[in-house]
Amino acid sequence: ELKVEQNPLFLSMQEGKNYTIYCNYSTTSDRLYWYRQDPGKSLESLFVLLSNGAVKQEGRLMASLDTKARLSTLHITAAVHDLSATYFCAVVNYGGSQGNLIFGKGTKLSVKP
Amino acid sequence: GAGVSQSPSNKVTEKGKDVELRCDPISGHTALYWYRQSLGQGLEFLIYFQGNSAPDKSGLPSDRFSAERTGGSVSTLTIQRTQQEDSAVYLCASSTTPSNQPQHFGDGTRLSIL
Repeated sequence: ELKVEQNPLFLSMQEGKNYTIYCNYSTTSDRLYWYRQDPGKSLESLFVLLSNGAVKQEGRLMASLDTKARLSTLHITAAVHDLSATYFCAVVNYGGSQGNLIFGKGTKLSVKP
Repeated sequence: GAGVSQSPSNKVTEKGKDVELRCDPISGHTALYWYRQSLGQGLEFLIYFQGNSAPDKSGLPSDRFSAERTGGSVSTLTIQRTQQEDSAVYLCASSTTPSNQPQHFGDGTRLSIL
């Protein structure tokens, strides 16, 4: 059974600081997604990582994938308040319907001035 | 362009009633997914439709839950004899295939069972 674990689950940061969110998964998968969710809102796609060593960057966020270690990271550089949200990683479940996603529990990020 | 559209946005109903939730995917997306998000369980997969293939129902929590997709487009998720533990936000997503594109999510239906 595919399991996805994120840590930390809660993260309080000061503006201007850097931090990394980790996403581990339990079985082989080469497709990993990062989503952002604002309170009361739906999920917004941030990154799609499709191969070992993939790195993608958008603004202050950078995501990477190591399929051998079954690990993805989401690195936040010089955080700003607008980044406050819950971040989810999700992995394609090849053991299931060949397409559904298994989500981590999410990391609730709060960026304080 | 238009995203995934879900209705109603909120639904409050009494325990034991049936409810229908609707999802209109992005035009041209052949894959459609239903997920459920609740505080205790996080985001859970419910059911997956791909083109004209038989749906993958492996995530449905009980036989009170069913879904259909008509004409390869609009989908309806039906919950019969609702229970309080069915209270959650029901999210629909669609995507192109193969799954190297992200799933695009609707705003969800917040279901509250009294």
